[in-house]
Amino acid sequence: ELKVEQNPLFLSMQEGKNYTIYCNYSTTSDRLYWYRQDPGKSLESLFVLLSNGAVKQEGRLMASLDTKARLSTLHITAAVHDLSATYFCAGPSNKLIFGTGTLLAVQP
Amino acid sequence: NAGVTQTPKFRVLKTGQSMTLLCAQDMNHEYMYWYRQDPGMGLRLIHYSVGEGTTAKGEVPDGYNVSRLKKQNFLLGLESAAPSQTSVYFCASRADSTYEQYFGPGTRLTVT
Repeated sequence: ELKVEQNPLFLSMQEGKNYTIYCNYSTTSDRLYWYRQDPGKSLESLFVLLSNGAVKQEGRLMASLDTKARLSTLHITAAVHDLSATYFCAGPSNKLIFGTGTLLAVQP
Repeated sequence: NAGVTQTPKFRVLKTGQSMTLLCAQDMNHEYMYWYRQDPGMGLRLIHYSVGEGTTAKGEVPDGYNVSRLKKQNFLLGLESAAPSQTSVYFCASRADSTYEQYFGPGTRLTVT
């Protein structure tokens, strides 16, 4: 069955810096999903990547998908405190399989 | 358009008590899911349903039962609650044309 692994699990970064979260998955899939969760809140859909080479951007976040490498990345540009949250990637089997999440803390 | 709603938002149970969590969606989605989220464990799938009248086991189904008598509702039952079931429970739904799931606000359950 599909396995999804994220790294790092925890990321502390300074405002203004760039960083990337990685999501590897174990079986062939042509789509990948990214979610954001704020503390004590539910999950909010960020990006839906539907094909190899797909790239989507929203503000300081950019997500990409390489189906051949079974890898998706979430790149953060010039981080701000408001981006502090837990980010999950998820891949489809007959249901979504979630990674364990990356807790991002942006320090002033 | 309320999306996915969950009832109740919070609940405290004593060990051995039973309860039912209700999930409702107004998007006419075929698929519905129940997850639990524990610190450091991410989201784990308990049960899911691919349509009215169907249910299937997920990753951690033991101690839970579900029913999908109406398309818009998905119920999660705990027959005899245990402290290990203390968690935050999320319901989600999706259309059959996409895997993107829409999540409810969550139910925080404490079993003492």
